[in-house]
Amino acid sequence: NAGVMQNPRHLVRRRGQEARLRCSPMKGHSHVYWYRQLPEEGLKFMVYLQKENIIDESGMPKERFSAEFPKEGPSILRIQQVVRGDSAAYFCASSPLAGEGEQFFGPGTRLTVL
Amino acid sequence: GENVEQHPSTLSVQEGDSAVIKCTYSDSASNYFPWYKQELGKRPQLIIDIRSNVGEKKDQRIAVTLNKTAKHFSLHITETQPEDSAVYFCAASQAGTYKYIFGTGTRLKVLA
Repeated sequence: NAGVMQNPRHLVRRRGQEARLRCSPMKGHSHVYWYRQLPEEGLKFMVYLQKENIIDESGMPKERFSAEFPKEGPSILRIQQVVRGDSAAYFCASSPLAGEGEQFFGPGTRLTVL
Repeated sequence: GENVEQHPSTLSVQEGDSAVIKCTYSDSASNYFPWYKQELGKRPQLIIDIRSNVGEKKDQRIAVTLNKTAKHFSLHITETQPEDSAVYFCAASQAGTYKYIFGTGTRLKVLA
C-alpha cells in the first residue's frame, strides 16, 4: 500500500508564474489536508478537502491560492502569480476518516520562487 | 482560535540521557494530541499520540503524558540515541474535526 504521494518534490518558479502541486492520498483515504511549512517554522493548516468538496479553506490566503480534489485524480494546490514569500515546503496529508486518528503525510513539495 | 505553544525550541542532550518536550494548548475542547518527528528534508511521521481519556501512553523509549486540567502534554524520550536527532512537533485537534494545530517544533540534537 503506497503512502501519500506528492509531485513534484522540488519546484522552481520565477515571480509571476504559476505553481501546481499534486497530492495522491493513500489508497482508501478520501480526506486530504494541505499544510505549509516555512523555513525553520511549524506546519500551518491551509485547506481540507474531500472528493469534489472544499470543506475548510480558512488557512489559505484569499488571493492567488486555490485547491481542488476532483472525483478522479490527485488533489491539486494551485498558486497563481507566485511571489518570493510563497517559497516553502508544502505538505499534504490524508486520512481515512475526518478527525479520527493519524494524518499520514506525503514527502512534500519544496517550492522555490526566484 | 486554538493555539499550541511548544518548548524548548532547541534541545541538546548526551546520548543515553532523557529528553522532554512540553506543549500547552488553549482550547479545552481539544482531545487528540499527536506527536510527529521530522528528519531533515523528510516528511513528518507520527511517533505517538494520546487521547484525552488517557493520562499517559508509552511505546518503548517514548512516552507522552497529558494533564487536561492544566492543558499541558509532554513527550518523553528515554535512553536517547543519535538517530533520535530530528525536529519534533506536537499538535492538538478536536475529535470530529480535522484541523491539526501544530506547535512550532523542537530541534533535538543527541550528542554521541
